[in-house]
Amino acid sequence: ELKVEQNPLFLSMQEGKNYTIYCNYSTTSDRLYWYRQDPGKSLESLFVLLSNGAVKQEGRLMASLDTKARLSTLHITAAVHDLSATYFCAFHGGATNKLIFGTGTLLAVQP
Amino acid sequence: DVKVTQSSRYLVKRTGEKVFLECVQDMDHENMFWYRQDPGLGLRLIYFSYDVKMKEKGDIPEGYSVSREKKERFSLILESASTNQTSMYLCASSSVVTKQYFGPGTRLTVT
Repeated sequence: ELKVEQNPLFLSMQEGKNYTIYCNYSTTSDRLYWYRQDPGKSLESLFVLLSNGAVKQEGRLMASLDTKARLSTLHITAAVHDLSATYFCAFHGGATNKLIFGTGTLLAVQP
Repeated sequence: DVKVTQSSRYLVKRTGEKVFLECVQDMDHENMFWYRQDPGLGLRLIYFSYDVKMKEKGDIPEGYSVSREKKERFSLILESASTNQTSMYLCASSSVVTKQYFGPGTRLTVT
């Protein structure tokens, strides 16, 4: 079964703190995606990770991929309120361009 | 910039009505997707299309059909709307090598 597990599902953190969101996926995939969704809005692409050991950074967010462990992480450094959103990871399921999404992690950054 | 547009942001329909949701993309993408998003369930794929007049069932196709007569347009049809189809509907498009780009979403309420 093609499956993605994200944890935690909900994360409340204080501004200035660091934390990591974990994404485990069930089968070999050549691409792993991270998306952000603000309340009532659509999904915005953050990162595309294409190979084992890939690391990408944008501002306070850094994503990494370990294809052997089938694990991707999204690390938040020195969180700020503007990062409050729901974060989804997704991977390619099979030969088509179909994506399998995790259930999302709702991040709330408190002042 | 890639643009994916959806015909309505908010829609209210009655049980039993036929409902059309339209999605248009302007980047000549081969692949188009319809998802629904519900709290606690993440994004679930309803249908996708990898070419004009081609369609594939996703994970939850029951109660839905789709139409892709032109490359840029992918329609989702609810033949007889039911209250359990109240949801946020998201359209996305991609080429074979790019990430998926999402539209703004349609929040459908069936009363």
